[in-house]
Amino acid sequence: QKEVEQDPGPLSVPEGAIVSLNCTYSNSAFQYFMWYRQYSRKGPELLMYTYSSGNKEDGRFTAQVDKSSKYISLFIRDSQPSDSATYLCAMSEGGSNYQLIWGAGTKLIIKP
Amino acid sequence: SAVISQKPSRDICQRGTSLTIQCQVDSQVTMMFWYRQQPGQSLTLIATANQGSEATYESGFVIDKFPISRPNLTFSTLTVSNMSPEDSSIYLCSVESGVDTQYFGPGTRLTVL
Repeated sequence: QKEVEQDPGPLSVPEGAIVSLNCTYSNSAFQYFMWYRQYSRKGPELLMYTYSSGNKEDGRFTAQVDKSSKYISLFIRDSQPSDSATYLCAMSEGGSNYQLIWGAGTKLIIKP
Repeated sequence: SAVISQKPSRDICQRGTSLTIQCQVDSQVTMMFWYRQQPGQSLTLIATANQGSEATYESGFVIDKFPISRPNLTFSTLTVSNMSPEDSSIYLCSVESGVDTQYFGPGTRLTVL
C-alpha cells in the first residue's frame, strides 16, 4: 500500500461544475498538506497549502484536511477549461523530515 | 514565491553521453531538490542538495549516475551520466519555501535515443 493514494483519473466534467479531488494517506505524522497543479509540459505549481486539519479557501479553490480520517480534498467551484491540468497532492511531516510524499496525480478535464 | 529557471528546457541525447541540467533561483535558498517525473507519473525525488555539503541521494539513485553540484545558495546542477533510453524523463528542480512546501522550476524534458 502506498503512503498516499490518489485516483489518477482522468476526471472529465462540464464547465461550471464543482470538482472534488481527493487523496488518502496512511502516515498519521503528516502535518503539511499541499495541492499542486501541473499543466502539460510545465513544472508543478503550488496551488494550496494547509497545515494540520481544517479548511482553506482561495478564490474558487477550497482545500480541506480531515486528519482523523486521513483524507484531504480540493474543491474547485465554477470550473473553467483553463483548470484542465493534473492535480497532485503532496504532504510532509515537516520539521527535520521535510521530504514531500506525493500522490499519483489526477488528470482533470473541463469540457466547454 | 521563488522564481526558478532551468536550462536546457529540453534535449535529445545519444545513448552513453552525459547531460548537465542547470537550476537557477532568484533568491538564496538553503535546500534545493532534484526530481524525476516519467511520462504520466508522479514525482520521484532523486536527491537533496544543500550548499556546502554533499548531496543526499534517495534509494535507487547514486552519485556516479547523477552527480550534483551546489556551488552557492542560488544555483545547482544535476548531471545525468552515461545515459540510456530509460533515463528519458522530465527532470525538475525545486527549492524549499519558508513553510515546508516547495516551488518548482519548469523542468527539463530529456529524450535519450
